[in-house]
Amino acid sequence: RKEVEQDPGPFNVPEGATVAFNCTYSNSASQSFFWYRQDCRKEPKLLMSVYSSGNEDGRFTAQLNRASQYISLLIRDSKLSDSATYLCARMDSSYKLIFGSGTRLLVRP
Amino acid sequence: DADVTQTPRNRITKTGKRIMLECSQTKGHDRMYWYRQDPGLGLRLIYYSFDVKDINKGEISDGYSVSRQAQAKFSLSLESAIPNQTALYFCATSGSTSGVAMNEQFFGPGTRLTVL
Repeated sequence: RKEVEQDPGPFNVPEGATVAFNCTYSNSASQSFFWYRQDCRKEPKLLMSVYSSGNEDGRFTAQLNRASQYISLLIRDSKLSDSATYLCARMDSSYKLIFGSGTRLLVRP
Repeated sequence: DADVTQTPRNRITKTGKRIMLECSQTKGHDRMYWYRQDPGLGLRLIYYSFDVKDINKGEISDGYSVSRQAQAKFSLSLESAIPNQTALYFCATSGSTSGVAMNEQFFGPGTRLTVL
């Protein structure tokens, strides 16, 4: 099993929809998690950090479920500009980030 | 100006050639990282450094070496490039603030390397 797993998608949703992605991890000791957004051929950009049960920033909400070892990202009122790949990462005990392969989101008009 | 810069942005080279990728940052971060990204495989850590005198191997260090010349500079070398090193390479930095935010990593724009 991969350390961090994500559904590759693509998730194809209409503008205005609410969409959620899950990211599962295998190391129960993980304390810190991150969501990054990556546009095609561009660098990943930090979207949200999660250090406790969750975090919210505008239309974006991340929730951590330690019992089931997954972290979710919820996007409300999707915009065309939200189309991108979303990468999940967990921090290991050596302060390195372990990334998932990403979930691709396509928001259509 | 970008906080994390990488040079070159694109490079095409031939098998067996030595190539160096450079990363500079103005964020004042202590920690620097080199990743490669391949389609379907996500980001994989090559090397990382938490200080000027600190070098650590990542998940896929074979065939690569690094040099941390200064706090702000971290270079990645391919001593003898091979075609399966064709990938997108990213540098990242973290660690200027205290507390949990020091683990947040910020990426450079990437170098697209093609080895023929």
